[in-house]
Amino acid sequence: EIVLTQSPATLSLSPGERATLSCRASQSVSSYLAWYQQKPGQAPRLLIYDASNRATGIPARFSGSGSGTDFTLTISSLEPEDFAVYYCQQRSNFGQGTRLEIK
Amino acid sequence: QVQLQQWGAGLLKPSETLSLTCAVYGGSFSGYYWSWIRQPPGKGLEWIGEINHSGSTNYNPSLKSRVTISVDTSKNQFSLKLSSVTAADTAVYYCARDWIVVVPAAIGNNWFDPWGQGTLVTVSS
Repeated sequence: EIVLTQSPATLSLSPGERATLSCRASQSVSSYLAWYQQKPGQAPRLLIYDASNRATGIPARFSGSGSGTDFTLTISSLEPEDFAVYYCQQRSNFGQGTRLEIK
Repeated sequence: QVQLQQWGAGLLKPSETLSLTCAVYGGSFSGYYWSWIRQPPGKGLEWIGEINHSGSTNYNPSLKSRVTISVDTSKNQFSLKLSSVTAADTAVYYCARDWIVVVPAAIGNNWFDPWGQGTLVTVSS
């Protein structure tokens, strides 16, 4: 089983700042990794698939990078609506999530 | 645009069977896998299992003995049954379209989009 470890657990930033979220896989997953955003009371929303491809309708401020075991989700300039929990996923495995909160 | 709408009983007693159904509207049903995913209150996401239009299934090994996922292609619906529930099965249950991409590597490649609205299932005596 592949284990996905996300860091940090919580990230405190202000609107307009750059956010960098990390996901590390316990073994190489090539570029086969997705990212999701979840707001309270809502279902997760797909942001990124295949490590770096933005899903339909996702703003350009969201970008994904990485391959092998180390992946990054970057939000270039935080908007108020971006404060949420973010999960990475590879096949049947999810990371534990990173909570992005307003500083 | 594909939309998923799910429903089912929200309150169960221990040892009962959880039953949820998800209907797919506005898009192709065949050619995809369809998954169930759950999220205990305040916790992360756990994949339960998946099915395709032909009825081929894959299950999370930790739940396999209690899970049955079935499909009704005439209604573009798929369903989840989880038997012998306990308080540990209390969670929001989501259905989702499962984009599986065939790749050379054994690790596999997929993502979930879109998701249903979620159903809170509480197990309590």
